[in-house]
Amino acid sequence: EAQVTQNPRYLITVTGKKLTVTCSQNMNHEYMSWYRQDPGLGLRQIYYSMNVEVTDKGDVPEGYKVSRKEKRNFPLILESPSPNQTSLYFCASSRKSGRGSTDTQYFGPGTRLTVL
Amino acid sequence: GQNIDQPTEMTATEGAIVQINCTYQTSGFNGLFWYQQHAGEAPTFLSYNVLDGLEEKGRFSSFLSRSKGYSYLLLKELQMKDSASYLCAVLDSNYQLIWGAGTKLIIKP
Repeated sequence: EAQVTQNPRYLITVTGKKLTVTCSQNMNHEYMSWYRQDPGLGLRQIYYSMNVEVTDKGDVPEGYKVSRKEKRNFPLILESPSPNQTSLYFCASSRKSGRGSTDTQYFGPGTRLTVL
Repeated sequence: GQNIDQPTEMTATEGAIVQINCTYQTSGFNGLFWYQQHAGEAPTFLSYNVLDGLEEKGRFSSFLSRSKGYSYLLLKELQMKDSASYLCAVLDSNYQLIWGAGTKLIIKP
């Protein structure tokens, strides 16, 4: 089954404790992206990757890191989480390169992160 | 700045028709997407419009007017499972996706 998976789905942590949210897709997509979604706001892009070893900042990259060592995986790293990073996070992938190509984006199930 | 406007919330009755509007001001335009998002779940693709006019797909239709910076999503024969948020997103001239905050649609029996 074609899908984007994220882990963990739920996470409660404390300020300053490094964490990683994994994202994996099995569709051989070139483009992957991380978003955060907060009440009353649209999806905001954190980082994106157009292909292996190619990553770039989105609209709200501060406090986050990513890597793209393999085509299928695109982990999101919070080196020192803070309460303002409490949010719902989505990973997404699409077939073509391009920050937001005309191709449909496929979203993972989401990770609900709470930073105390 | 770039902006996408959608109503925050709408209510409709099962079996009826509802139109969700989206207006946008962006630097350039390379298409408009509609996504459906059930509470606590991932957004899923509904439609993509790049040319003016109406595109019909079953009970759902999407309309675009580029000159007016306007789109709507039309849902017919509403079912309870259509209760969800509907997200409008525009691709600007740099192929950056600009997302609206979404419209929460509540369906009543």
